[in-house]
Amino acid sequence: GAVVSQHPSRVICKSGTSVKIECRSLDFQATTMFWYRQFPKKSLMLMATSNEGSKATYEQGVEKDKFLINHASLTLSTLTVTSAHPEDSSFYICSAFTRGGTDTQYFGPGTRLTVL
Amino acid sequence: GDSVTQMEGPVTLSEEAFLTINCTYTATGYPSLFWYVQYPGEGLQLLLKATKADDKGSNKGFEATYRKETTSFHLEKGSVQVSDSAVYFCASYSSASKIIFGSGTRLSIRP
Repeated sequence: GAVVSQHPSRVICKSGTSVKIECRSLDFQATTMFWYRQFPKKSLMLMATSNEGSKATYEQGVEKDKFLINHASLTLSTLTVTSAHPEDSSFYICSAFTRGGTDTQYFGPGTRLTVL
Repeated sequence: GDSVTQMEGPVTLSEEAFLTINCTYTATGYPSLFWYVQYPGEGLQLLLKATKADDKGSNKGFEATYRKETTSFHLEKGSVQVSDSAVYFCASYSSASKIIFGSGTRLSIRP
């Protein structure tokens, strides 16, 4: 099946710094990628939809200036958490559609962010 | 709007027991329905899916049937194993290209 990778898998940073998380589709082209946030023992919350070559669409309540999303190519989307604070600590997961336009999303393994 | 409701956990069963995790949905149209599984410390993996009424998705001994009349997509397995311990998410695919997830059900299997 389609494979999506994320890097890094874990990151610990100091409060006030910025952290970049990469999401790559390894064996297919993804015109659309999604970024989710998952709190402990909770479901996934969609943060934004990332379309290649255009601005991301953010869900209500998600600060676009804090969570910068770039989708520069058909295989790479990045999420940058700017000026991170402890409340930004979470599990961030990306997903992608295959280019064939199916309704199945393929998920990355997630990135655990801890802000001290 | 569209929504997905699944039974709250945690669910604890003995090995070889029968499993049912209930899931119902609301939607304006006829969504595709999914079950995803999340093992500890990992991302989500697609377990099975069904795209239209009366379709049955199956994988790794798990099954779920798309029931339009009851707007349900219950997950079942006849004999669970310890390795099935994970969190299971029911989800629907909406017309806005977004997946709507249920709250997740944590399943623990005792040896």
